[in-house]
Amino acid sequence: DAKTTQPTSMDCAEGRAANLPCNHSTISGNEYVYWYRQIHSQGPQYIIHGLKNNETNEMASLIITEDRKSSTLILPHATLRDTAVYYCIVAYNTDKLIFGTGTRLQVFP
Amino acid sequence: DTGVSQDPRHKITKRGQNVTFRCDPISEHNRLYWYRQTLGQGPEFLTYFQNEAQLEKSRLLSDRFSAERPKGSFSTLEIQRTEQGDSAMYLCASSFLAGYNEQFFGPGTRLTVL
Repeated sequence: DAKTTQPTSMDCAEGRAANLPCNHSTISGNEYVYWYRQIHSQGPQYIIHGLKNNETNEMASLIITEDRKSSTLILPHATLRDTAVYYCIVAYNTDKLIFGTGTRLQVFP
Repeated sequence: DTGVSQDPRHKITKRGQNVTFRCDPISEHNRLYWYRQTLGQGPEFLTYFQNEAQLEKSRLLSDRFSAERPKGSFSTLEIQRTEQGDSAMYLCASSFLAGYNEQFFGPGTRLTVL
């Protein structure tokens, strides 16, 4: 599975959009991009995934560049409850998710 | 609550003792996964089952670790002769069918080995 690179930490003001980048320059053509988050003392929570096209659900939007070497997770209106560690994972499927150290997002009032 | 449940939530044991954790997946999920997470790190894959069959084990899963899912429903993870390095959060997840579906994680069992 391809390796991902994420910033260690980011801050975002409550109510603003949080844009979390992820680099995956060695991604293969049939590998998906998955995003999970982990709120303190809880298990990870699935957010969204995509292959080539941009995706949107009730939680977030996923923007994948045309060359698929990077992506951005967008939380359109961040709240304090979105403070968490966000993991970007590249995988063929979900048989074996390889988590990195993720991005610690701090949403402040 | 119909999510993934894990028991116990916390376990403190002395080095050399055996411990067993239980995971109850979401009903009808036929895939079940175990992960281990140490402080400041992301979860590390340990093993997964499809129904009662254990399909893959990480090399992190030493001979002291064993996992079972005897009837394709709940699963147990046993650690024999615990070591201080086994101190971690042990996470269980389940998913429906195979491959591309999201994994639903439980709250984890925090193990402290003294």
